[in-house]
Amino acid sequence: GAVVSQHPSWVICKSGTSVKIECRSLDFQATTMFWYRQFPKQSLMLMATSNEGSKATYEQGVEKDKFLINHASLTLSTLTVTSAHPEDSSFYICSASGTSGGTIAKNIQYFGAGTRLSVL
Amino acid sequence: GESVGLHLPTLSVQEGDNSIINCAYSNSASDYFIWYKQESGKGPQFIIDIRSNMDKRQGQRVTVLLNKTVKHLSLQIAATQPGDSAVYFCAEGGVFGGYSTLTFGKGTMLLVSP
Repeated sequence: GAVVSQHPSWVICKSGTSVKIECRSLDFQATTMFWYRQFPKQSLMLMATSNEGSKATYEQGVEKDKFLINHASLTLSTLTVTSAHPEDSSFYICSASGTSGGTIAKNIQYFGAGTRLSVL
Repeated sequence: GESVGLHLPTLSVQEGDNSIINCAYSNSASDYFIWYKQESGKGPQFIIDIRSNMDKRQGQRVTVLLNKTVKHLSLQIAATQPGDSAVYFCAEGGVFGGYSTLTFGKGTMLLVSP
């Protein structure tokens, strides 16, 4: 239980193109999804929090127009890196939390496997 | 321990030993605390959590201790195995400004030698 699928796991793109990353909760309804960025040997940095059906809340310093987040359903959130540049290369990880019940514990964030983005 | 720059604190143990990973948290108003395990190239995996009204919680081979007086959290792993090798993050959470948030610590790398 509490499985979060993230796709793709690895993507290489040219500078200036846009990349979309999907995050799905497979066996529970994710009322809230989170997007993190992680640099090598460092901790996770929260980029934004999104609740289903409403606009995402971005952390200070994260460009909303650069990192577009959509949380259209209780099982899917997407992060689109627009006009990607080499400095956007990083490991992006999503997580999801839901209401408690079954295998889901309240307030626990369950993570996807991450997406490694390399911008050439 | 504290990390400096890009260097993760590392704990090296022998297989079969007990491991203790420590974490200092910052917000005395945090409601809950979580330990995650992250293997190389993967997302964090939930290990165990503890609420702020508890001081100890046990799971399978793991125990989390919470000391709110000094804002300290520890993860004890019994009979450590090579498969336990990973980076371990503590995270403190609560509802702040109407949003449920989780703040991650800097991480500790656990290396288990056979």
